[in-house]
Amino acid sequence: GIQVEQSPPDLILQEGANSTLRCNFSDSVNNLQWFHQNPWGQLINLFYIPSGTKQNGRLSATTVATERYSLLYISSSQTTDSGVYFCAVENTGFQKLVFGTGTRLLVSP
Amino acid sequence: NAGVTQTPKFQVLKTGQSMTLQCAQDMNHEYMSWYRQDPGMGLRLIHYSVGAGITDQGEVPNGYNVSRSTTEDFPLRLLSAAPSQTSVYFCASSYKGNTEAFFGQGTRLTVV
Repeated sequence: GIQVEQSPPDLILQEGANSTLRCNFSDSVNNLQWFHQNPWGQLINLFYIPSGTKQNGRLSATTVATERYSLLYISSSQTTDSGVYFCAVENTGFQKLVFGTGTRLLVSP
Repeated sequence: NAGVTQTPKFQVLKTGQSMTLQCAQDMNHEYMSWYRQDPGMGLRLIHYSVGAGITDQGEVPNGYNVSRSTTEDFPLRLLSAAPSQTSVYFCASSYKGNTEAFFGQGTRLTVV
């Protein structure tokens, strides 16, 4: 099956810094999502982005489907950005998402 | 619009007990699925459904049963709980197979 690798596994930032999280996948996909899991365990949808570029406030994402990777950009990070960021992909058409192991982000004041 | 609702939020079971985790969505989504999340890992698919009356196995289905009698509900049954089933369980739904998935708040299950 499809493999998903996220990097870096851990990231520590000072408030206000920028960061880039990467998601590599081993096969073509028709669904790619980025999630933020907050410290309370809730999974929050950030982007549905099987291809192209999207922006939402301080966050943006780019997926280059032909190169099999996606990037999540966080600008001017805030302490509330702390948590784990997951990339999930799908290529069967049955919503069988395959998750990476996540990037754990800690933003300190 | 409540989205995806899971109950209970927390549960402790003894080995060998059975229980049902409930999942309901009010978005008229056809696709629903169950995932488990173990410490330090991403989510793994247990079972999924593409519509009422249709279910299939995911990556880690052993020890779990599902049914889908209505579009709204997709319960997950643990037949005989084992300590290896200690995990956080998430239910998800989506309009179609290649559209955005929405997740419930999770159920933290401990089997002692």
